Amino acid sequence: SAVISQKPSRDICQRGTSLTIQCQVDSQVTMMFWYRQQPGQSLTLIATANQGSEATYESGFVIDKFPISRPNLTFSTLTVSNMSPEDSSIYLCSVAHPYTEQYFGPGTRLTVT
Amino acid sequence: AQTVTQSQPEMSVQEAETVTLSCTYDTSENNYYLFWYKQPPSRQMILVIRQEAYKQQNATENRFSVNFQKAAKSFSLKISDSQLGDTAMYFCAFKPRANYGGATNKLIFGTGTLLAVQP
Repeated sequence: SAVISQKPSRDICQRGTSLTIQCQVDSQVTMMFWYRQQPGQSLTLIATANQGSEATYESGFVIDKFPISRPNLTFSTLTVSNMSPEDSSIYLCSVAHPYTEQYFGPGTRLTVT
Repeated sequence: AQTVTQSQPEMSVQEAETVTLSCTYDTSENNYYLFWYKQPPSRQMILVIRQEAYKQQNATENRFSVNFQKAAKSFSLKISDSQLGDTAMYFCAFKPRANYGGATNKLIFGTGTLLAVQP
């Protein structure tokens, strides 16, 4: 399994601002993903972070709102832009190789006021 | 489209007893993976158990075992000798078998079952 860290672990932000969440893995991984978990809900995939190219976004998520970077095989960032209270969620990074299970980071709890 | 359904939003079990969490899924694929993840109040998602669809034998990990019924598209989790530390949200998840030139390897989650283990 991989050891995954996320920064920050939690934050309280004002509406209209942006927050960048970092995800660091202790080994090179093929795939990195970003999920959103709204309060009391299940996980929804935001996008697949592709190394060296643009992220692949799921339906309902757009690059302008959730820009993602992945400069190498161990690191990715997710930015939540122009935040509103509806963006209050836990954001989780996960990693995987093909044919293997996904492992998750500890999550970032975001509250937008 | 693939979907995962967990029909039990909440369950409760006494310590040391056995509990079974239900999960059904819908897919037209023949090769895929199924998982149970646990999310305690600390919110760290932890993989509990994994099943590969082409394997008929049910997966087992210590006190955790599954009942995989491929024809019925059912994948239940049995927790034996429940412990207080088992208190968590449990998510069932589906993943199509990845192809290098094809699927994104993404997980599809159910809505979760909140399990409370009572002392």
